[in-house]
Amino acid sequence: EADIYQTPRYLVIGTGKKITLECSQTMGHDKMYWYQQDPGMELHLIHYSYGVNSTEKGDLSSESTVSRIRTEHFPLTLESARPSHTSQYLCASSVGRLAGGYEQYFGPGTRLTVT
Amino acid sequence: GDSVTQMEGPVTLSEEAFLTINCTYTATGYPSLFWYVQYPGEGLQLLLKATKADDKGSNKGFEATYRKETTSFHLEKGSVQVSDSAVYFCALVLGGKLTFGQGTILTVHP
Repeated sequence: EADIYQTPRYLVIGTGKKITLECSQTMGHDKMYWYQQDPGMELHLIHYSYGVNSTEKGDLSSESTVSRIRTEHFPLTLESARPSHTSQYLCASSVGRLAGGYEQYFGPGTRLTVT
Repeated sequence: GDSVTQMEGPVTLSEEAFLTINCTYTATGYPSLFWYVQYPGEGLQLLLKATKADDKGSNKGFEATYRKETTSFHLEKGSVQVSDSAVYFCALVLGGKLTFGQGTILTVHP
């Protein structure tokens, strides 16, 4: 059973507010990821990290930012939320420092609605 | 770049019917292949995986075989249940990067 947690599960917030979506894992995984899932279900990688103090942008451009100060924690921040940010956000982690066929473990997701 | 193409949904079946969800991939190297499942309101769960050609992944009655010659990883189940209703994602990992298919919605009726 994967131990990866996301809070909050649901968030409704007004335009212009700053928000932070939390993601934590207790498996000691080096690699962590953020995906945005649109209503059509397709998943888009928006950020990833290969370890502490390492963050990279993913395939889909996002106005969000991330940080990785501790191995187990990978929060995502939106400085000024807009309705276009309404989506489901999924956090994931995986083992391995080298390129390899390791599966990713996913959290339950945060469903964000910006009004 | 690498890509995964899944059979378009939604797929609607009656309980105990046979399920096939097609998945083909394009990759520059030799990927590992996965099927993930997403139940309503939840994150993705790994359903099964295969890391080399001719490997068969299996779990909860689902199976998929890594076919290098046809670059395919089709998901099958002999007898679906209502509880199998979910979204299914085929995916590959290569160079540490996970690439998903677009997802297939499965609905199983009693």
